[in-house]
Amino acid sequence: GNSVTQMEGPVTLSEEAFLTINCTYTATGYPSLFWYVQYPGEGLQLLLKATKADDKGSNKGFEATYRKETTSFHLEKGSVQVSDSAVYFCDSTDSWGKFQFGAGTQVVVTP
Amino acid sequence: GAVVSQHPSWVICKSGTSVKIECRSLDFQATTMFWYRQFPKQSLMLMATSNEGSKATYEQGVEKDKFLINHASLTLSTLTVTSAHPEDSSFYICSARDRESPLHFGNGTRLTVT
Repeated sequence: GNSVTQMEGPVTLSEEAFLTINCTYTATGYPSLFWYVQYPGEGLQLLLKATKADDKGSNKGFEATYRKETTSFHLEKGSVQVSDSAVYFCDSTDSWGKFQFGAGTQVVVTP
Repeated sequence: GAVVSQHPSWVICKSGTSVKIECRSLDFQATTMFWYRQFPKQSLMLMATSNEGSKATYEQGVEKDKFLINHASLTLSTLTVTSAHPEDSSFYICSARDRESPLHFGNGTRLTVT
């Protein structure tokens, strides 16, 4: 079945630093891959997605590329802001709709 | 670690009937619970947010009378899909947290309406 391994947090970094959160998956077939973000006090929301190999999802300065050869979907942002402080979840969803979330990575950005 | 139990994991029902899905926090008090639905290969869609003891807050476009949410205690929230139709078939997922603690997810319920 599906599984997702996500980098453990918390990740603490200064404003304008480069952020990478690693995510690798195992799945049969070709799942869709998502990153979700949970800001303090709010519910989960979709950050970006990629549905096939080599697709790049991007939103709010974040990017992630669907790498079939390494079964990875690492999240990156070149210059983080304090407002990016949140918990980030990687998700793999197969063609049946069965999802598998990573454990979540807390990111703390300090001024 | 904290566990959220969602039940049932898979349910098939006939069109026009109602289905109840339970979400329980097993070792923490879930002051807030979230309900989502997910279609195959699509992203999660937040349906509603419920705080214990108060009415759920529904996202725009979600029918309150069709998707009844009850959060009667600090460990249990239920989602009832009333008068289900085939287009209601999808995965329903709950998540829960205690105040500002991280979210914990249930394993999801696959609903198939025939």
